[in-house]
Amino acid sequence: AQSVTQLGSHVSVSEGALVLLRCNYSSSVPPYLFWYVQYPNQGLQLLLKYTTGATLVKGINGFEAEFKKSETSFHLTKPSAHMSDAAEYFCAVSDPRVGGNEKLTFGTGTRLTIIP
Amino acid sequence: EAQVTQNPRYLITVTGKKLTVTCSQNMNHEYMSWYRQDPGLGLRQIYYSMNVEVTDKGDVPEGYKVSRKEKRNFPLILESPSPNQTSLYFCASSTSGQGYEQYFGPGTRLTVT
Repeated sequence: AQSVTQLGSHVSVSEGALVLLRCNYSSSVPPYLFWYVQYPNQGLQLLLKYTTGATLVKGINGFEAEFKKSETSFHLTKPSAHMSDAAEYFCAVSDPRVGGNEKLTFGTGTRLTIIP
Repeated sequence: EAQVTQNPRYLITVTGKKLTVTCSQNMNHEYMSWYRQDPGLGLRQIYYSMNVEVTDKGDVPEGYKVSRKEKRNFPLILESPSPNQTSLYFCASSTSGQGYEQYFGPGTRLTVT
């Protein structure tokens, strides 16, 4: 069974400061990894994903994440926070084995607040 | 515009009154799924469908039904809603296969009194 842990349900950073949202996973096989963002009253939108290849992946809006197999982590970062980054962020994993349910297993989310 | 639509967006109902939440996608996706979002629990899968007439249970299927008669539509049915089904519901769709982006609808906020 897969599981995802997001450390910190609420994170506050100052505008212009580094954003770091943590995600660790537990899986019997190396999973596919995703970060989704949810703006108020909206559905989820994909920020970035890792499936294979380069372990540092870049996404939309200046975000990036690095897959570290030895640490079972996929932390999300952005060098300089903008007010528009305020949202809830979800880390998710899926089982890469072919033929299975393509469901996403989500973490409990991290609400990011930007301080002016 | 590629999108997943859900209706209604907001619904308040009473215990036991059957309801249906519709979901439709215009991207010709094979895979569709329903999730519910609850505070502190993230999103959990209710049911999914790999293609027309192929559906299966997710992690929290009790009290829900689905059908997939057409590729674009995947309605969620609550035959006898209860207060513990008060939640925010999301429909999602994707190309079949692992690792593809899932596209989410805007959500349906359901309150059962």
